[in-house]
Amino acid sequence: AQSVTQPDIHITVSEGASLELRCNYSYGATPYLFWYVQSPGQGLQLLLKYFSGDTLVQGIKGFEAEFKRSQSSFNLRKPSVHWSDAAEYFCAVGTLRGANNLFFGTGTRLTVIP
Amino acid sequence: DAGVIQSPRHEVTEMGQEVTLRCKPISGHNSLFWYRQTMMRGLELLIYFNNNVPIDDSGMPEDRFSAKMPNASFSTLKIQPSEPRDSAVYFCASSLFAGEGVSGRGNEQFFGPGTRLTVL
Repeated sequence: AQSVTQPDIHITVSEGASLELRCNYSYGATPYLFWYVQSPGQGLQLLLKYFSGDTLVQGIKGFEAEFKRSQSSFNLRKPSVHWSDAAEYFCAVGTLRGANNLFFGTGTRLTVIP
Repeated sequence: DAGVIQSPRHEVTEMGQEVTLRCKPISGHNSLFWYRQTMMRGLELLIYFNNNVPIDDSGMPEDRFSAKMPNASFSTLKIQPSEPRDSAVYFCASSLFAGEGVSGRGNEQFFGPGTRLTVL
């Protein structure tokens, strides 16, 4: 069965510092991978997605993520964090075959300090 | 594009009352998902529909919960009777599912703003 692990529950970074949020997935075949962001009181918004091809994908708001099959990882990165990036971030995995639902991680809450 | 629409945005009710949450998916999407989010349990998938047919309702907590999708543009999630432990934010999401084994946009889901339910 598919599953997603986000090992960091809460991360605090200084504004302007770089950011990396970790995501590990479990799935036997080629996964679809997603990162969503949830601002307080809001729904989830898609940041970026990986289906196939280039393993480094670019998303909105200056985020990128790299798919590493050998490590079963899909870590989210941003070179310079802005205060507005403070939010909850969710990694999710979907599959090409079988059910079309997504499996979400438990989320990582990002705090940005001045 | 109006996005996924949910109503009401906030609902406060008393224990034992019936609660109905509503969702209008993005036009043209054929999959609809209901999620519940709490601090303790995170984001949980309750049920999802493909082409108005329930595919997996294993996440529905108990018989007090029911969901329907009478047509492609409307779905409801009903709780009867409601209990304080049902207090949560309920999200609806929709996607375009091309079919099993078909590549393309895959399973990208678009979320609504959520309904914050408080049961007193």
